[in-house]
Amino acid sequence: QKEVEQDPGPLSVPEGAIVSLNCTYSNSAFQYFMWYRQYSRKGPELLMYTYSSGNKEDGRFTAQVDKSSKYISLFIRDSQPSDSATYLCAMSSPGGFKTIFGAGTRLFVKA
Amino acid sequence: EPEVTQTPSHQVTQMGQEVILRCVPISNHLYFYWYRQILGQKVEFLVSFYNNEISEKSEIFDDQFSVERPDGSNFTLKIRSTKLEDSAMYFCASSEQEGPGYTFGSGTRLTVV
Repeated sequence: QKEVEQDPGPLSVPEGAIVSLNCTYSNSAFQYFMWYRQYSRKGPELLMYTYSSGNKEDGRFTAQVDKSSKYISLFIRDSQPSDSATYLCAMSSPGGFKTIFGAGTRLFVKA
Repeated sequence: EPEVTQTPSHQVTQMGQEVILRCVPISNHLYFYWYRQILGQKVEFLVSFYNNEISEKSEIFDDQFSVERPDGSNFTLKIRSTKLEDSAMYFCASSEQEGPGYTFGSGTRLTVV
């Protein structure tokens, strides 16, 4: 079983839709859960991160972590064409220096 | 906004040659990282560096790879004898403290021919 699994998509939605992006993981030691956005031929850009379980909201973005199910989600409200990018989930353990990335989901928001 | 700067943006090298990829992390950051992304694949951890030494490395980071912080601002990744499979985007990242939330550079695209 892969450490982090993420559906690569692509996911195509109309402007204004609510987008749901998800990842599952297998390593119970993960405590930090991150979402990055990556535009073509650019480095990943951190959107938000959560520690342990729960929800975190930042503007149109909401991150959810369910450690009992080993499942994390990112919701994007009122999606915009500028949200079109690849979204990477990522995870790490306390005291560890490396971050494990999912494969990324390509999102297209159509005007 | 502070950023991580990587040079060159694209490097083409012949198989067997040595390459050095350069990075200037954010000035007050203490933790430095190299990741790579082969075209169409995941971002993969290579190495982390703190207090002038490697703190963790992956199985990819074999004897052909080395990192150095030659002065107070640069952080380099050297590949001693490049192979075709080293072709990838190499991302440098830095963070102020241990834990999540790196700032990544825009990457160096390495093409080994």
